[in-house]
Amino acid sequence: EPEVTQTPSHQVTQMGQEVILRCVPISNHLYFYWYRQILGQKVEFLVSFYNNEISEKSEIFDDQFSVERPDGSNFTLKIRSTKLEDSAMYFCASSDLGAGAYEQYFGPGTRLTVT
Amino acid sequence: DQQVKQNSPSLSVQEGRISILNCDYTNSMFDYFLWYKKYPAEGPTFLISISSIKDKNEDGRFTVFLNKSAKHLSLHIVPSQPGDSAVYFCAASGADSWGKLQFGAGTQVVVTP
Repeated sequence: EPEVTQTPSHQVTQMGQEVILRCVPISNHLYFYWYRQILGQKVEFLVSFYNNEISEKSEIFDDQFSVERPDGSNFTLKIRSTKLEDSAMYFCASSDLGAGAYEQYFGPGTRLTVT
Repeated sequence: DQQVKQNSPSLSVQEGRISILNCDYTNSMFDYFLWYKKYPAEGPTFLISISSIKDKNEDGRFTVFLNKSAKHLSLHIVPSQPGDSAVYFCAASGADSWGKLQFGAGTQVVVTP
């Protein structure tokens, strides 16, 4: 069964450093998303991406964040200058077109630890 | 911003019995609702969904009920199995913010033998 994959599974970085989290969405999906879950809190929407541009972003997704689809298979989330409060699980998701567009399929997540 | 609420943080149920998980929402623009299951150290796994034009959707052991007037939905799992022990999240999406899933806080389900 096709699945969303994410790398790395765990990333430790120092405050102020740049990180890039990588995702390979399900191959025939056209919508891509990033969410995060801070420990003990809800899963929060960050950004949605379609047709090579951002469709919607949350208040969390400020100028420190960017997304890119550098080729036909990868979808990346970059945090330019990490802060302690960026420590969280980051989940990538993807969805199909049409009726299936609402049903988002999630990857296993990347645990980001900022020290 | 508590647009999706799951008021029961945990639920314990015996194997073979019914598990009923509840979810309330406040945003009347929500028109699609989903349930996800999550095991530790894994991402949420899509279980079942329902559009606002329906009041029930069934898939195997899982049934979701939607009561729009009460802004309430529930997930029934029958019969419950030990492998169902996980955190269950309710999520919603609306025409005013398509693709942006709003999640509840989750309910930890423990199925006991």
